[in-house]
Amino acid sequence: DVKVTQSSRYLVKRTGEKVFLECVQDMDHENMFWYRQDPGLGLRLIYFSYDVKMKEKGDIPEGYSVSREKKERFSLILESASTNQTSMYLCASSFRGSIQYFGAGTRLSVL
Amino acid sequence: GESVGLHLPTLSVQEGDNSIINCAYSNSASDYFIWYKQESGKGPQFIIDIRSNMDKRQGQRVTVLLNKTVKHLSLQIAATQPGDSAVYFCAENSGPQGGSEKLVFGKGMKLTVNP
Repeated sequence: DVKVTQSSRYLVKRTGEKVFLECVQDMDHENMFWYRQDPGLGLRLIYFSYDVKMKEKGDIPEGYSVSREKKERFSLILESASTNQTSMYLCASSFRGSIQYFGAGTRLSVL
Repeated sequence: GESVGLHLPTLSVQEGDNSIINCAYSNSASDYFIWYKQESGKGPQFIIDIRSNMDKRQGQRVTVLLNKTVKHLSLQIAATQPGDSAVYFCAENSGPQGGSEKLVFGKGMKLTVNP
C-alpha cells in the first residue's frame, strides 16, 4: 500500500514562529505536493515538486517555502507564521501522470 | 479562471439507495478527471478516475460518467452504505502534460447515509 506520512496531526504555533511541516512517502514517487484545505474553499495547491531539489509554485505560495533534498521527503516551511495560515495542510505524492495519494493531514493553529 | 465545482453541497440518502454526485468543470482542455472521498479526520482517498477518451468507467460499486459536451462529471455509488458517508471531491488536471501533475479540486460535497 502507498503510504504518505505527515509528521504531525495537530500543531499549535504562535504568530511569527518558523514552522516546519514534514511529509514522507515510501513509494519512490517523483511528484510531491502541499495543499491547504479550508472550509468553503476546498483544496488549494501551495507548492509542488517534480524531482529532488525541483519545485514549482502552486496557486497560493505566498508566505510559504518548500524543500526537497531527498526524493521521499517534502517539507513545507512557514517562515513567519500568521493567523491566516491556520488551516488543514495536506501532503500528496504521485508517479508522473498518475493518481495523487494523500497523507492524513496536519491541522495547524496559529495563535 | 478555470474552475471545478459541484452542484450540491450536501446529499442525504437512505442506506441501500443509489447516490449520484455531480460535478461541473470549465476547462475544456482537461483530459483527466478523478474522484476522491474524504472521511472525517482523514486525508482524501482515491476512488476512481477517468480519461477524456472514455465516457464511462466502473469500479466496485462506483461508476464515473463523463459528458464532455456539457463538461459534466458524475459519480454514482450503488447500494450506498453508512461507510460511504464522507465528503466527495471531483478534480481535473491542469498541467501541460496531462495526467495528474496538477489538479484543480472542486469544493466538495458531503454525503450522509441514513441507516
